[in-house]
Amino acid sequence: AQSVTQLDSHVSVSEGTPVLLRCNYSSSYSPSLFWYVQHPNKGLQLLLKYTSAATLVKGINGFEAEFKKSETSFHLTKPSAHMSDAAEYFCVVSQMDSSYKLIFGSGTRLLVRP
Amino acid sequence: DAGVTQSPTHLIKTRGQQVTLRCSPKSGHDTVSWYQQALGQGPQFIFQYYEEEERQRGNFPDRFSGHQFPNYSSELNVNALLLGDSALYLCASSLNGRTEETQYFGPGTRLLVL
Repeated sequence: AQSVTQLDSHVSVSEGTPVLLRCNYSSSYSPSLFWYVQHPNKGLQLLLKYTSAATLVKGINGFEAEFKKSETSFHLTKPSAHMSDAAEYFCVVSQMDSSYKLIFGSGTRLLVRP
Repeated sequence: DAGVTQSPTHLIKTRGQQVTLRCSPKSGHDTVSWYQQALGQGPQFIFQYYEEEERQRGNFPDRFSGHQFPNYSSELNVNALLLGDSALYLCASSLNGRTEETQYFGPGTRLLVL
């Protein structure tokens, strides 16, 4: 069975400082991993995805994530936070080639202080 | 190019009623997935439709049913509504439904059951 755990329900950073959103996953087989962002009253937008290519994945808006199999982690980072980054972030796992559903974590709300 | 669209945006129903939600996929996509997002939680997979058939289903009762039309649009039907069905219902479209393909989400339909 697959699952994903987001280790922080809320993260607060100052504008211009680094962002780290933590995610651990559990999967019996080769996983696909994703990060989605949800702004208030808007749909989910894909930030980046890992599907067994390079372990360091670069996404949109300066975000990146590193797949670490030994640690079963897929943390999301950004060097410098912008006010516009304030939103809900979801780590997502799926089992490549044999499942069509995305399994979402419970979300991390990112707050950016001016 | 229109993205994924959903209607209505908001809906209020009473317990025991039935509701139908609609989704039009992104141009060129043939697969529609439905998710339920309760307040403060991550989305949960309801089912996926491909080639007008339900291809995979999550842990939802038979009160939740769906349909996909030849133009790939889809409906989600919920019968005998319960208070616990109050949530944001998200539709996602993709090509062939494979998880390595990006799923594009609509803005959702917010359902309130009184």
